[in-house]
Amino acid sequence: AQTVTQSQPEMSVQEAETVTLSCTYDTSESDYYLFWYKQPPSRQMILVIRQEAYKQQNATENRFSVNFQKAAKSFSLKISDSQLGDAAMYFCAFNGGSQGNLIFGKGTKLSVKP
Amino acid sequence: SQTIHQWPATLVQPVGSPLSLECTVEGTSNPNLYWYRQAAGRGLQLLFYSVGIGQISSEVPQNLSASRPQDRQFILSSKKLLLSDSGFYLCAWSVRGRYTGELFFGEGSRLTVL
Repeated sequence: AQTVTQSQPEMSVQEAETVTLSCTYDTSESDYYLFWYKQPPSRQMILVIRQEAYKQQNATENRFSVNFQKAAKSFSLKISDSQLGDAAMYFCAFNGGSQGNLIFGKGTKLSVKP
Repeated sequence: SQTIHQWPATLVQPVGSPLSLECTVEGTSNPNLYWYRQAAGRGLQLLFYSVGIGQISSEVPQNLSASRPQDRQFILSSKKLLLSDSGFYLCAWSVRGRYTGELFFGEGSRLTVL
């Protein structure tokens, strides 16, 4: 079975600093997609970044970047220059099926201190 | 542009009462549709997904059912709610035929069963 594990239930970062959220996953597939979603207090899930497994280059979206290690099945999210608006739950998600079903980790609650 | 709406946003229901949560997608045709439930500390759990009108797949045996009476409408129902049905329910859609894996989420519905 495919699983996604986020080992950090909570993380804290100082405003303007950098923080890395960890994610590991388990799959026997070679072609898949990985995602980081953000869920602010408003509760709507927002896509932060996406990585295709066949691409060796790590995805980047402005202050957000990933460290994708396919052999290690690791997919961490780095947030640079953290802002107060980055405070939220962050979910790592995996998709290896044609129906597009996402498998989510349990989430990491990120706090940003001013 | 595509939008997704679900309602009601908040619902408080007594045990044994019926439930109907609705979700509609605008700006796209033939989407894949999903219902997820989010319980505290457990991440997101896929409940149902649909690839077309009248086509529903259930991921978890439960007290709930789903229907897709129209191409862009997805309904989550229950005839008799249980206390364990309390949670945050998220509707989502994805583009059928594009293997991008990305899901777009609605605003969510908070259900409290008393």
